[in-house]
Amino acid sequence: GEDVEQSLFLSVREGDSSVINCTYTDSSSTYLYWYKQEPGAGLQLLTYIFSNMDMKQDQRLTVLLNKKDKHLSLRIADTQTGDSAIYFCAEAPSGGFKTIFGAGTRLFVKA
Amino acid sequence: DTAVSQTPKYLVTQMGNDKSIKCEQNLGHDTMYWYKQDSKKFLKIMFSYNNKELIINETVPNRFSPKSPDKAHLNLHINSLELGDSAVYFCASSQVSSRDRYGNTIYFGEGSWLTVV
Repeated sequence: GEDVEQSLFLSVREGDSSVINCTYTDSSSTYLYWYKQEPGAGLQLLTYIFSNMDMKQDQRLTVLLNKKDKHLSLRIADTQTGDSAIYFCAEAPSGGFKTIFGAGTRLFVKA
Repeated sequence: DTAVSQTPKYLVTQMGNDKSIKCEQNLGHDTMYWYKQDSKKFLKIMFSYNNKELIINETVPNRFSPKSPDKAHLNLHINSLELGDSAVYFCASSQVSSRDRYGNTIYFGEGSWLTVV
């Protein structure tokens, strides 16, 4: 079945790098996503990666995809207190209408 | 120029009441969704409409009834509200017709905080 798993909590110090990990099950997924949810707000698309890519970099964000292990990670360099939020991993299986979301990783950044 | 807007943002109501949440998207997308986020922040899809046609209907009590008068609107009506209905309800949209080429990127509204007392 379809499932996306991610650890629930991550705590880092300001200035350090954060790495949020995710595993997914549907090998047909063509796109994988990271969404960010700040307190009291909706989910915002942070970045995405196409399944034929291994890596995507966007300023402080680096997405790594290991398709063989169905593992996706999001690295945030120089983490700031403003990065404190919930980060959701999501997969979009090809040919389907559903996007499957993980449970979200709560990132706490200590000053 | 909000992309996905939903109203009301906050709603406090008594058990047994009927309430509606409205949603509109101005992105020209062909698909709209309702998601429920519980107190632990788990996000669960409830319904999806593609070009006004219901395509996803998860295991949701039939007290919940979506209505899509046109592609740009998807409203959620809830009858006989229960305490367990308290949650944040997110409306969202995407352009599914181009998903194989561009993926199914979903755009979310800001959420409607429903509290049933």
